[in-house]
This record gives sequence, C-alpha cells and structure tokens, in this order.
Amino acid sequence: DAGVTQSPTHLIKTRGQQVTLRCSPKSGHDTVSWYQQALGQGPQFIFQYYEEEERQRGNFPDRFSGHQFPNYSSELNVNALLLGDSALYLCASSMTGVDYEQYFGPGTRLTVT
Amino acid sequence: KQEVTQIPAALSVPEGENLVLNCSFTDSAIYNLQWFRQDPGKGLTSLLLIQSSQREQTSGRLNASLDKSSGRSTLYIAASQPGDSATYLCAVGGATNKLIFGTGTLLAVQP
Repeated sequence: DAGVTQSPTHLIKTRGQQVTLRCSPKSGHDTVSWYQQALGQGPQFIFQYYEEEERQRGNFPDRFSGHQFPNYSSELNVNALLLGDSALYLCASSMTGVDYEQYFGPGTRLTVT
Repeated sequence: KQEVTQIPAALSVPEGENLVLNCSFTDSAIYNLQWFRQDPGKGLTSLLLIQSSQREQTSGRLNASLDKSSGRSTLYIAASQPGDSATYLCAVGGATNKLIFGTGTLLAVQP
C-alpha cells in the first residue's frame, strides 16, 4: 500500500498564476481533506471531499477550489496566486466517519514569487 | 470557535528521559483527538487516535490521554531517543472529522 501520495513535491509559481495540486488517497479511503501549513504553524483546514462533493469548507477564499474524482483522488486548485499562498499543502485521507484516523501525504511545497 | 494550544512550544531533553507534551482545547464537543509527528519539511505521521469516549491510547513507548471535560490531552513519551526529535502536533476532530490543529511542540532529544 503506497499510502497517500501527492504531486508535485515542489512548485514555484508567480503571483497571479494558477496552480493545481494532486492527491491520491490511501487504498480503501473515500474521504479527502486538504490543509495549508504556513511555516511554523499548524495545518489549517481548507476543505473536505466525499462522494465527489465538497462536504465542508474552512475559512479560505473562493480562489481555492477542489475536485474529487470517482476513484477518490482529488485536486486542489488555487487561482490568482498571492505571495501569502506560499505554504506546504497537505492532503489527508480517511474512511468516512469520526472513528477513523486521517493519514497525511508528504505534502506539496508551493512557493509564490 | 475551537482553539487548540500546545505547551511547551519547544522542549530539549537528554536521551532516556521520560517526557510529557500538553495539548488543550477550548470546546469539549469533540469527536476525537489525534496526535501526529512531523519531521522538518515533511508530511504528518499519525501516532495515536483517541475517540471521545476513550480516556487513553497506547502504542509502544507512547501513551496519550484525553480529558474532554477539562479540555486537555497529554502525550507521554517513555525513554526518549534522538530519533524522537520532531514536531509533535495534536488535532481535535469534529463531526465530519475536520481537524483543528495546535501549533505544535518542537522536541529535541540530545544524545
């Protein structure tokens, strides 16, 4: 089992550009959540996908959007990038329900210049 | 609004010492609490998950306790080793298992 995988590992973009990050959940998991982690901070919840729909959203602007595919993989899209979007973006997967651990991927380091 | 606090922010101990990391949360209406380890620039590794109905969980040298009524959890690490050096994060889970994290405790275990 490969666990949660994310691509790419690192990414450098310019202000105003758009970026797409990808996540493949752990085998058997149907729920994917995305988190943003700024340097020295704990991860902040962006949104969660289940059954191809956004189930819950954190306090992030509409520039952040996502998608979940029938195979449960997910994408995070960020439009009109700002310098403040520079962070480690983490994907977590789990089976649905509160009884299950969330497993995190290695993250994508996004740098906006 | 749920807030999670971790004390201390940083900790340095000699190898072999037993240590306790603290996590507090403001809203006791949680469904679970999860402890994670994060190595520099890496993703999170799940250490322990405690359901709201449980008081503690153990895995090897790690023991985590949960007191919902007082809004506190502790992570006990026995016989610390240099390989335990990392940032330890606690996170509380709500109804949809959305996690709210603390800012972490940076642990350094000196050989």
